[in-house]
Amino acid sequence: QQQVKQSPQSLIVQKGGISIINCAYENTAFDYFPWYQQFPGKGPALLIAIRPDVSEKKEGRFTISFNKSAKQFSLHIMDSQPGDSATYFCAATIGGNQGGKLIFGQGTELSVKP
Amino acid sequence: NAGVTQTPKFRVLKTGQSMTLLCAQDMNHEYMYWYRQDPGMGLRLIHYSVGEGTTAKGEVPDGYNVSRLKKQNFLLGLESAAPSQTSVYFCASSYSSGDLNTEAFFGQGTRLTVV
Repeated sequence: QQQVKQSPQSLIVQKGGISIINCAYENTAFDYFPWYQQFPGKGPALLIAIRPDVSEKKEGRFTISFNKSAKQFSLHIMDSQPGDSATYFCAATIGGNQGGKLIFGQGTELSVKP
Repeated sequence: NAGVTQTPKFRVLKTGQSMTLLCAQDMNHEYMYWYRQDPGMGLRLIHYSVGEGTTAKGEVPDGYNVSRLKKQNFLLGLESAAPSQTSVYFCASSYSSGDLNTEAFFGQGTRLTVV
């Protein structure tokens, strides 16, 4: 059972364009939604995260949009650069004494062409 | 500050062999996790620990065992390796902040091939 579904699986964007990756979740108990960025041969690293009490969070060129009623959230990368080429994972987790364990989406391989 | 360190980085096993993957963190984090990463599957949680001496099953625990004898270390064991366990394994850690979840820090991964 995939609790977090991510699309698309791969994405090719021209330099300067906007990259958009979407995720949908099922469990309404999720209360923390991070995005992780992974370069080849490296471990994932936190990019940006949001909690469900806000609808949008922006950090530099990266923005998370969150729609609680639709149980969907998305990552927007503005002015995409070749250095943004990586695999992106959305994730979700439940607060309280649940151990902070992350449930990941399937991942999106982003390629930004010069 | 090393963060999360995994040992070894690469390993080839024959079917039926056993091995232990070691994860060490120097951030004094309470929570530690083992994930496996397979193409098109994302990262799936194998086992996790909320503190020294405690472990719990994740999404895909079969064929694996874990131990957390020291707060800074989390060991993942494969008793009898199978080709289906060929994967990249990641260890991660995070700290407890009451009811709020916090950033998980990942190691560099261990690429395991079972032949």
